[in-house]
Amino acid sequence: ELKVEQNPLFLSMQEGKNYTIYCNYSTTSDRLYWYRQDPGKSLESLFVLLSNGAVKQEGRLMASLDTKARLSTLHITAAVHDLSATYFCVPTSGSRLTFGEGTQLTVNP
Amino acid sequence: NAGVTQTPKFQVLKTGQSMTLQCAQDMNHEYMSWYRQDPGMGLRLIHYSVGAGITDQGEVPNGYNVSRSTTEDFPLRLLSAAPSQTSVYFCASSHRQVIYNEQFFGPGTRLTVL
Repeated sequence: ELKVEQNPLFLSMQEGKNYTIYCNYSTTSDRLYWYRQDPGKSLESLFVLLSNGAVKQEGRLMASLDTKARLSTLHITAAVHDLSATYFCVPTSGSRLTFGEGTQLTVNP
Repeated sequence: NAGVTQTPKFQVLKTGQSMTLQCAQDMNHEYMSWYRQDPGMGLRLIHYSVGAGITDQGEVPNGYNVSRSTTEDFPLRLLSAAPSQTSVYFCASSHRQVIYNEQFFGPGTRLTVL
């Protein structure tokens, strides 16, 4: 059974700072998604990482994947308030997604 | 395209009542699924379908039924609602065969069982 651990679960950071969210998963996965969820809203796909060493960047967010270590990271550069949300790392086998608890990010002025 | 739509947006039930949560997609996706999200947690898979006429159980199927008579629709039925089923329910769909088969999520149904 595929299990996911993200850390930290709660992250409060100042605008302008950098930080990394870590995601470990327990068994082999076909690919890995990062989703964003705003409070009371649905989920929005940010990145899909398909292979070892994959790196994707969009704005202030950069995601990477190390399949040998079963580790993905989401790096936040120069955080802004608009990035406040919950971020889920979602490794996937076939069409079945496995969610962890997510990381609740708050960016303070 | 409307994408994935869910109705109702909010629902309050009494213990023991039954109801159906509706989910529809207009993207001709083969794969559809239902998740529940409890406070402070990620999503857990309830049931899924890989095509019309085919359904299977996910991680937390007890107390829920599904059917898939058409490609577009995938309703979730609560047979006898319990307070433990208070949650936010998300429906999702994707193409089955494409490797980059991103799952698209609906807006959610917020269910309270008293």
